[in-house]
Amino acid sequence: AQSVTQLDSQVPVFEEAPVELRCNYSSSVSVYLFWYVQYPNQGLQLLLKYLSGSTLVESINGFEAEFNKSQTSFHLRKPSVHISDTAEYFCAVSRINTDKLIFGTGTRLQVFP
Amino acid sequence: DAGVTQSPTHLIKTRGQQVTLRCSPKSGHDTVSWYQQALGQGPQFIFQYYEEEERQRGNFPDRFSGHQFPNYSSELNVNALLLGDSALYLCASSANAGGPLGSGYTFGSGTRLTVV
Repeated sequence: AQSVTQLDSQVPVFEEAPVELRCNYSSSVSVYLFWYVQYPNQGLQLLLKYLSGSTLVESINGFEAEFNKSQTSFHLRKPSVHISDTAEYFCAVSRINTDKLIFGTGTRLQVFP
Repeated sequence: DAGVTQSPTHLIKTRGQQVTLRCSPKSGHDTVSWYQQALGQGPQFIFQYYEEEERQRGNFPDRFSGHQFPNYSSELNVNALLLGDSALYLCASSANAGGPLGSGYTFGSGTRLTVV
């Protein structure tokens, strides 16, 4: 079975500061990895994903995540956050060739002016 | 191009009642998955429908059932509601079930169910 651990339930940060949201996973088989973002009263939006190839993946709005197989991690980073990045961020995994996502409990990123 | 549409957006039911939630997938998608997101938690997989059949199921009791129609839309039914069923129910659609997950899910905004 797969599981996902998001170590920080809340991360407060000031605008323009860097941020890292941590995600560790457990699986005995190869997995795909995802980060989703959820704004208040909305559904989930895919931020970025790792399927194969380069271990560093980037999103269009400045976030990046690096797949580290030895540490079973997929931490999300952004060098300079905006107020508009305030949201809940979920890390998720799925077994290769399945559609079932296993989510972590989420990290609430709160960006202050 | 419309994304995933869910209805209703909010719903209040009494314990013991039954509820039906509806989902229309994104154009071009043929697979619908349902997730339950309790307050303060990550979404949990309920089940997935493809070709009008339940293809995968998570760890949810038989009180949770579903259906997929020929136009790929889907319903989630919950019988004998419990207070613990209060949650945001998310529908996600995808294309080519069984293929690589690279095509990805598109999530709807969810139905907020409150059981009193």
